Amino acid sequence: SQTIHQWPATLVQPVGSPLSLECTVEGTSNPNLYWYRQAAGRGLQLLFYSIGIDQISSEVPQNLSASRPQDRQFILSSKKLLLSDSGFYLCAWRQNDRAYEQYFGPGTRLTVT
Amino acid sequence: AQSVTQPDIHITVSEGASLELRCNYSYGATPYLFWYVQSPGQGLQLLLKYFSGDTLVQGIKGFEAEFKRSQSSFNLRKPSVHWSDAAEYFCAVVPYSNYQLIWGAGTKLIIKP
Repeated sequence: SQTIHQWPATLVQPVGSPLSLECTVEGTSNPNLYWYRQAAGRGLQLLFYSIGIDQISSEVPQNLSASRPQDRQFILSSKKLLLSDSGFYLCAWRQNDRAYEQYFGPGTRLTVT
Repeated sequence: AQSVTQPDIHITVSEGASLELRCNYSYGATPYLFWYVQSPGQGLQLLLKYFSGDTLVQGIKGFEAEFKRSQSSFNLRKPSVHWSDAAEYFCAVVPYSNYQLIWGAGTKLIIKP
């Protein structure tokens, strides 16, 4: 069966510091991968999605970037965090060229101080 | 533009009472339809999905949803809620035109003892 992991689970970082959040998927190959953010009390905002290695689309211009160095690894980064980057970050995967539902990881709570 | 509307930001229901959460979409054709649940501090879990066929679909945890083409709705129901159902519920659609989920803003379900 497929599983998706995210780490760290929680993170507190000062403004201006770098960020690296990691997501890995097991039990599947060539998945579509997604990064979402949930600000407090708000819905889901799609940040990035990837249909393959080094194939990444950005949905929202922002202080963040994403990379996919391996087939089942998706990384969210920032060189300098802003206060507005605080939120709950969710990684998700979808089986490529099959059904359209996405499956989510447990999330990372990021607090920028 | 394609959109998903969940008109209720919060709903409060007594334990044991029935539940209906509303979802309407704006799209020319019938999209793929989903309901997800998010417990506090957790990732999203797929409750059920509709692609075609029988318009009443059964999901996990005793939930069901009914697709009504004439009303462009996909409402989620449960005959008797339990305190553990307290969570946020998200409706989502995938239009035929692409594979990206379009999300509703979510409905927070509060259970009164």
